Amino acid sequence: EVQLVESGGGLVKPGGSVRLSCVVSGITFSKAWMSWVRQAPGKGPEWVGRIYSKNDGGAIAYAAPVKDRFTISRDDSKNTLYLQMNSLKTEDTALYYCTTPSGTYYGSPYVFDIWGQGTMVTVSS
Amino acid sequence: QSGLTQPPSASGTPGQRVTISCSGSSSNIGTGTVNWFQQLPGTAPKLLIYSNSHRPSGVPDRFSGSKSGTSASLAISGLQSEDEADYYCAAWDDSLGSYVFGSGTKVTV
Repeated sequence: EVQLVESGGGLVKPGGSVRLSCVVSGITFSKAWMSWVRQAPGKGPEWVGRIYSKNDGGAIAYAAPVKDRFTISRDDSKNTLYLQMNSLKTEDTALYYCTTPSGTYYGSPYVFDIWGQGTMVTVSS
Repeated sequence: QSGLTQPPSASGTPGQRVTISCSGSSSNIGTGTVNWFQQLPGTAPKLLIYSNSHRPSGVPDRFSGSKSGTSASLAISGLQSEDEADYYCAAWDDSLGSYVFGSGTKVTV
């Protein structure tokens, strides 16, 4: 069974930092193209960023609202995806999901057919 | 702000056909493919349609997708009560350099 399990969320003060983790099982993580998607309360999903597999160059892309503040990384030896979030703003308050295509046969890193349960980050003083 | 515009709501009675539009531009739908997601309350989004019109394994054939120019559509035929959910289109946007989700459509049965 494929599983994505996020952790690390919580209450953070504006300007603070937090690191989210996503442990992946059931697929070959080292080959996976991984993304973070967030969803603010009562709002639609918002893509945060993506990291390719090292075999595919490992390129990372970010959405404009988080660029230069958030950093995506991966540890293939631990089957874990990370999201380092710095200089947090109240508008970063959201449920953060990690997600991925179940296989490269989709031909796109954005066919998100596997999702975690999400971890909530609340930025408030 | 989303580059993909959807009607905020749609509704139908059981058995009816409902269509949801997704309007984009030449920088997203016009040059790429569209995916559709269904989100039930309190759950993660679920992939419904990928690459404009393809259904992942397990998605009923009541759901179908199409794309024409800079717009896409999701159709739900034989509407069922369990289809009551939020639906989002999504596509890569070359101008933004970002993957964007539509504004979302709440379907009421």
